[in-house]
Formats: sequence, structure tokens, C-alpha cells
Amino acid sequence: GENVEQHPSTLSVQEGDSAVIKCTYSDSASNYFPWYKQELGKRPQLIIDIRSNVGEKKDQRIAVTLNKTAKHFSLHITETQPEDSAVYFCAASITNAGKSTFGDGTTLTVKP
Amino acid sequence: GAVVSQHPSWVICKSGTSVKIECRSLDFQATTMFWYRQFPKQSLMLMATSNEGSKATYEQGVEKDKFLINHASLTLSTLTVTSAHPEDSSFYICSARDPQTLNQPQHFGDGTRLSIL
Repeated sequence: GENVEQHPSTLSVQEGDSAVIKCTYSDSASNYFPWYKQELGKRPQLIIDIRSNVGEKKDQRIAVTLNKTAKHFSLHITETQPEDSAVYFCAASITNAGKSTFGDGTTLTVKP
Repeated sequence: GAVVSQHPSWVICKSGTSVKIECRSLDFQATTMFWYRQFPKQSLMLMATSNEGSKATYEQGVEKDKFLINHASLTLSTLTVTSAHPEDSSFYICSARDPQTLNQPQHFGDGTRLSIL
């Protein structure tokens, strides 16, 4: 089955700096890669996603890059703000096929 | 956007009690829903995939007799933790994929914090 590894497990940055979180996956059939943000005690919320036919996608301060050959994808957050502090999860799945496999999560702390 | 509603949000009960958690898709029909368990500071652990009109698919190591799943309609799945014990205390979250949205992203419920005394 699919295996998703996520690094780092914790990340601390100064407000205004950039943050990068990386994930690798094992199943070459996976073609959909969402990122979720989970604040303490709350539901994971989808913040950005990318399909395997696209190399990069950007939404304001958030971007995701995908290297299908190397089987890795990354989340980039620029101009970080304290409200970006949360746990971020990457995931990999096959579109329309059902379950997603999640990474172990990255706890991002943005210091004011 | 798609909304998934989960109830109750918080349960405290005595050991031996059975607890039912409901997961509803409010503005879309979901033939498949997912049940996760999350321990503090850990990732989402998939317990089972709930299939409308058929038996749930359980992940390895999850006791199907302990965690009963029913998906009787296209908008409702329930998870019943039978004869709950303190080790069952955890955060349980459901999700559903919206078949009408490109890529069918998963939308999560608010979760249920279960505490067994």
C-alpha cells in the first residue's frame, strides 16, 4: 500500500519568514496530493491540493510543488503569520479510488 | 463548500457504555465515508471505510466487533464504540469525499472527543 513520509515533524520560524514542509510517497499510482491544516482541537481543513499532471500550484501565500518522478511534494508558506501556527498534514491518494494516506504531520510555530 | 457534520462533539461516559457517533454530509451525497482516530500530537489513523449499503472495510488491527459502522443512507454514517473502556478514549473524526467536486477532496467533521472513565 501507499506510504507517506513527512518532514520535519516540528518547524519554528519567525513571523515573515518562509516555511517549507516536504513529503514523499511510495505508490506511483497516486495522483492527488492535498494538504490539510489542523488547529488544536479542530478539524483538518483543506488548504491546497495538486494533481499529478501539474508541477506547481499557488494560492496567495501558499504554494505546493510536485516532483512526480522523485515522488515528492512540498508545501511552501511565504510571509508567515502567527495564525499560520498549526499542524499541517500532507496526503496522497488515487482520485476517485477512496482512502487517502496521511503523513505524520508537521507542527508549525510562527513566532511574532 | 461541502460540509460534514459530526455529533456529538464531546462524550464522557463510564466504562462499559456503548457510544454512537454520527457523521452526516449536509450538502452532498457520500457513498463512502471514512472514520479516523487521532491521538494527541499524532496523525490521523484510518480505522475503516464506510460504504453505503454494504459492509465497512476495516483497516488491519481494528476490531470490527468493537467499532461497529453503519452507513444506511447516502448522507449518514455512524460509528458505535461498543463496551467502551479507558483505552478507547481518543479523538474520532469522520470524513467524506464530495463526488461532485474535482479531485473529490475529503471534508472532515469537527471530531468527537471521547473520554471513558
